[in-house]
Amino acid sequence: KAGVTQTPRYLIKTRGQQVTLSCSPISGHRSVSWYQQTPGQGLQFLFEYFSETQRNKGNFPGRFSGRQFSNSRSEMNVSTLELGDSALYLCASSLAQGANGELFFGEGSRLTVL
Amino acid sequence: GQQVMQIPQYQHVQEGEDFTTYCNSSTTLSNIQWYKQRPGGHPVFLIQLVKSGEVKKQKRLTFQFGEAKKNSSLHITATQTTDVGTYFCAPGGSTLGRLYFGRGTQLTVWP
Repeated sequence: KAGVTQTPRYLIKTRGQQVTLSCSPISGHRSVSWYQQTPGQGLQFLFEYFSETQRNKGNFPGRFSGRQFSNSRSEMNVSTLELGDSALYLCASSLAQGANGELFFGEGSRLTVL
Repeated sequence: GQQVMQIPQYQHVQEGEDFTTYCNSSTTLSNIQWYKQRPGGHPVFLIQLVKSGEVKKQKRLTFQFGEAKKNSSLHITATQTTDVGTYFCAPGGSTLGRLYFGRGTQLTVWP
């Protein structure tokens, strides 16, 4: 059974640009959650999608957005990048909504903003 | 969100010493999960605790859920260099489920 796949694994952007990250969950998993991880802040919840609908949202500005497709694949977008957006972005899939089940994480997309 | 406090934030031990990390909540939890993230890796599920006072063991790792279901601990006996990483607790059971993690305890093991 394939795990959670995130692309790209690494990317470098400059301030003001925008970026789109992709996540393919484990087959059969309908819940996809996104997290931002930085050394100082740990795992910060961004948002969760279930059945193509955003179910929960963390405390991040509107520059952070996402969506989920009918095949459960999800994308997140960050517009007008700032230096502080440099982080590891992790996607996690789960069978249950609200991430009440075990979370399966991808390897992450490491974003560097220059 | 359903927040938990995790302590300590960092722990440095010599190989062979024991290690414990604690996860505390101000509200009663339905369940709690623990994850481990190796340096450069991604979080990996370790265990879920559901019952009040539950104790589960995985080889040298002992997980405990408090009687009031407001705290949990992870204890590693005789640490090894392979135990290096960050250990996160994640509360579950509310509408928000497991979406909010503790800040994690970063364990360093000196050979």
